[in-house]
Amino acid sequence: QSVLTQPPSVSGAPGQRVTIFCTGGRSNIGAGYDVHWYQQLPGAAPKLLVYGNNNRPSGVPDRFSGSKSGTSASLAITDLQAEDEADYYCQSYDSLGVLYVFGTGTKVTVL
Amino acid sequence: EVQLVESGGGLEQPGGSLRLSCAASGFTFNNYAMHWVRQAPGKGLEWVSGITGSGASTYQPDSVKGRFTISRDNSKNTLYLQMNSLRAGDTAVYFCAKDVTPTVGNWLDAWGQGTLVTVSS
Repeated sequence: QSVLTQPPSVSGAPGQRVTIFCTGGRSNIGAGYDVHWYQQLPGAAPKLLVYGNNNRPSGVPDRFSGSKSGTSASLAITDLQAEDEADYYCQSYDSLGVLYVFGTGTKVTVL
Repeated sequence: EVQLVESGGGLEQPGGSLRLSCAASGFTFNNYAMHWVRQAPGKGLEWVSGITGSGASTYQPDSVKGRFTISRDNSKNTLYLQMNSLRAGDTAVYFCAKDVTPTVGNWLDAWGQGTLVTVSS
């Protein structure tokens, strides 16, 4: 039912950079709506990671950064650390009924 | 500190009903829209209902429209989700989440720990 598409998994060694892409359409990201990102650690609730495309809440390390262009957005994690191993979800607003749309989710594995 | 504590989950038969609650603290409850988001076992996140800060407007996707009703009691700082005509596909952990303004269409900056709803005979 998700209308935002993410890769199922990405991986990287400690210290490396990984990027997660989130692809939407003309009724959500492409319509100019902002993209937000959440981190879900194993067995925990989601936590806001990035809001308004590229803003971090207080306490989120600057290793996490977001960007948006056209109908897509991305989340970059630099200096990858073991504690970054989690599921990551993008989210936007959609004008065609399902107001809050989430991405399919991406599992980040630290090798 | 913002706290959201869900309750009311459990095992229910297909066609049955459940009412979830979310007790909020640490912020001025009626100043923020609130939502329910669910996660089926091993699956991703799905938004299932939202309500404005005043409670005047509610929103649901077609997947639950007519079966689920979101409401809030601002005098008790509590959010509710009444779920009727439950189906096996409604089995999920249900999270309560806080919006960042009184209206919908933004992001969710605080989440509860979730309550598990299992629909099975």
